[in-house]
Amino acid sequence: AQSVTQLGSHVSVSEGALVLLRCNYSSSVPPYLFWYVQYPNQGLQLLLKYTSAATLVKGINGFEAEFKKSETSFHLTKPSAHMSDAAEYFCAVSGGTGGFKTIFGAGTRLFVKA
Amino acid sequence: DAGITQSPRYKITETGRQVTLMCHQTWSHSYMFWYRQDLGHGLRLIYYSAAADITDKGEVPDGYVVSRSKTENFPLTLESATRSQTSVYFCASITGGAEGTEAFFGQGTRLTVV
Repeated sequence: AQSVTQLGSHVSVSEGALVLLRCNYSSSVPPYLFWYVQYPNQGLQLLLKYTSAATLVKGINGFEAEFKKSETSFHLTKPSAHMSDAAEYFCAVSGGTGGFKTIFGAGTRLFVKA
Repeated sequence: DAGITQSPRYKITETGRQVTLMCHQTWSHSYMFWYRQDLGHGLRLIYYSAAADITDKGEVPDGYVVSRSKTENFPLTLESATRSQTSVYFCASITGGAEGTEAFFGQGTRLTVV
C-alpha cells in the first residue's frame, strides 16, 4: 500500500530563512506526488505536483520540491520564508496500485517568526 | 458558484443521532472523496466514489455511509454519531481523466459530537 511520512509535525523558521519540509513516500511503482497547503479554517489547495515530467518541480508562492527516487523523498523547499507562509503543509501520493485515491501524510505546521 | 461546496460548515450534534454532511461539485468530476482531519493524523480517507452509484471504502469507513445517486452530490452520513467522530470533514473531487491530477477540496465541515 502507498503511504507518505512527513518528518516533523512542527517546523519553525525565521522570516527570510530557508524553509525545508520533509516527505518520504512508499510506493511499489513510480507514484504521483503532491504538496498541498492549508490555511486556517480553509480547505487544502495545491502547491505543486510531480508527475514524472521533471524531478525538480516548481509551484506557487516560490515553493519547489525535488523528487529523489533513490531516497524515496519529495522534500518541499523555499529559499526565503515569508510571514504569509505560516500554514499547514501536506504531502500526498496517488497512482500505482492506489489508482485515483490520494493518500496524505500527517501534515507539518510551519511557523514563521518575525 | 462553480466549485465544490460543503454544508453545513459547522454542526453540533448529540451522541446517537444521525447526521448527514453534504458535498456538491459543479465540475462533473468523476471521482469524489470524503476525508476526516484529526490532529496528528493528517487527512484519512473515509469513502470514495469513482462515478455515480460506485462507492468504495477508504482507510476509516466504520460508522459512516455514503451514496452517490448523482455525479455532483456525495453525501456522508453518520448513522449513529459517536464522540470519536468529532472531526473536520473534507470533501474533494478529481476529474478522473488521467492519474496524477490534483484533488480540489471543499471548505470543510467542523462536526462536534457531544
